[in-house]
Amino acid sequence: GAGVSQSPSNKVTEKGKDVELRCDPISGHTALYWYRQSLGQGLEFLIYFQGNSAPDKSGLPSDRFSAERTGESVSTLTIQRTQQEDSAVYLCASSRRSGQHSPLHFGNGTRLTVT
Amino acid sequence: AQTVTQSQPEMSVQEAETVTLSCTYDTSENNYYLFWYKQPPSRQMILVIRQEAYKQQNATENRFSVNFQKAAKSFSLKISDSQLGDTAMYFCALQGGGGSNYKLTFGKGTLLTVNP
Repeated sequence: GAGVSQSPSNKVTEKGKDVELRCDPISGHTALYWYRQSLGQGLEFLIYFQGNSAPDKSGLPSDRFSAERTGESVSTLTIQRTQQEDSAVYLCASSRRSGQHSPLHFGNGTRLTVT
Repeated sequence: AQTVTQSQPEMSVQEAETVTLSCTYDTSENNYYLFWYKQPPSRQMILVIRQEAYKQQNATENRFSVNFQKAAKSFSLKISDSQLGDTAMYFCALQGGGGSNYKLTFGKGTLLTVNP
């Protein structure tokens, strides 16, 4: 079946503009994660959705970042008033259910460049 | 807080040889999972191997195996008979127990180059 799909693959934007990144998880996967990968760094947790439960937003770096997910479908990550330090690869992952017994399946990421 | 440390930013190996990537971690949990993920230039993170902390036997997946030393909090990855397609970034990750058992904490990665 289809894997995790992310769009756009690459995005170049001017400083101060808003951007919206999209993630389409694997069908039937109730858990969805967003991670950020900056150059030379590992993956930084941003936000986690599990079904209709309240999301874990503890990793969002500032109030310019927000994310939504309706039920078990598509998620969007929005960055307002982008800054140069927001430049990174944004990775989305989904898993069949929450917890340690369900491996994460990642998409190919969106490379965001803020000029 | 959980931490994962990969002390080798870059490594190289000749095709068909064996290479070991190092990873150490810290957690206060007793039940947790450890993972190695591979990230080729396509950027997609691919699960290579998984180890459950309560299992003493080291996990093996074809040419990939781990050396899990729980007391030392060490989790190294051995790649045997290296192939050109193994060239990628390799990330060690920890998924802990407790209330946030869904979160993965990643190391900064090791760039592995397999030379012909």
